Amino acid sequence: QVQLQESGPGLVKPSETLSLTCTVSGGSISNYYWSWIRQPPGKGLEWIGYIHYRVSTKYTSSLKSRVTISLDTSKNQFSLKLSSVTAADTAVYYCARVDSMVRGVTQYYFDSWGQGTLVTVSS
Amino acid sequence: QSVLTQPPSVSGAPGQRVTISCTGRSSNIGAGYDVNWYQQLPRTAPKLLIYVDSNRPSGVPDRFSGSKSGTSASLAITGLQAEDEADYYCQSYDSSLSGWVFGGGTKLTVL
Repeated sequence: QVQLQESGPGLVKPSETLSLTCTVSGGSISNYYWSWIRQPPGKGLEWIGYIHYRVSTKYTSSLKSRVTISLDTSKNQFSLKLSSVTAADTAVYYCARVDSMVRGVTQYYFDSWGQGTLVTVSS
Repeated sequence: QSVLTQPPSVSGAPGQRVTISCTGRSSNIGAGYDVNWYQQLPRTAPKLLIYVDSNRPSGVPDRFSGSKSGTSASLAITGLQAEDEADYYCQSYDSSLSGWVFGGGTKLTVL
């Protein structure tokens, strides 16, 4: 059973860069897509982006200019960097594994999630 | 404004059946992209409930079922239990946005 655990600072100053790491245990980070998803307090879920060690990365259009997701296969970890943060980036950040099923075209879903980590942007 | 539209709240008494709708458009559900559902219990991470329209992961009771038609999808919960009180989110892929999208979420209250 794969497990994911987010880690990183819980407080980031405005205009600085938010950095989080997701450590994957119980399975290899290869052969899957891995995603970051966030949830502002009291609001819904927002997909941020994904990474795959062969296919590279893809980001949601609204954050594309500020987001970088990277992978460290030697540590079985992947990371999120979000630059120039503002109060609007305050949220619980989740890392998740993306599994897939081929049905005509390949369909994807988030089958395992970390517990989430709250990041507050404030001076 | 979410790309996928869900009712903000639904409610039902124990033992009843409730449904949660997820309305999309021609660039997501209507284009044939499948829908996944997640359950988020209070103060916990979301959990996969239904994947690829109607499949249940191991351990999810068969009281939960998913369906899709046209540009909409539905999650049905039968034999409602107090432990089902949670937020439910639908999710799909949107070709015009070239990314995965979530519904705004529906809060289920068990009366």
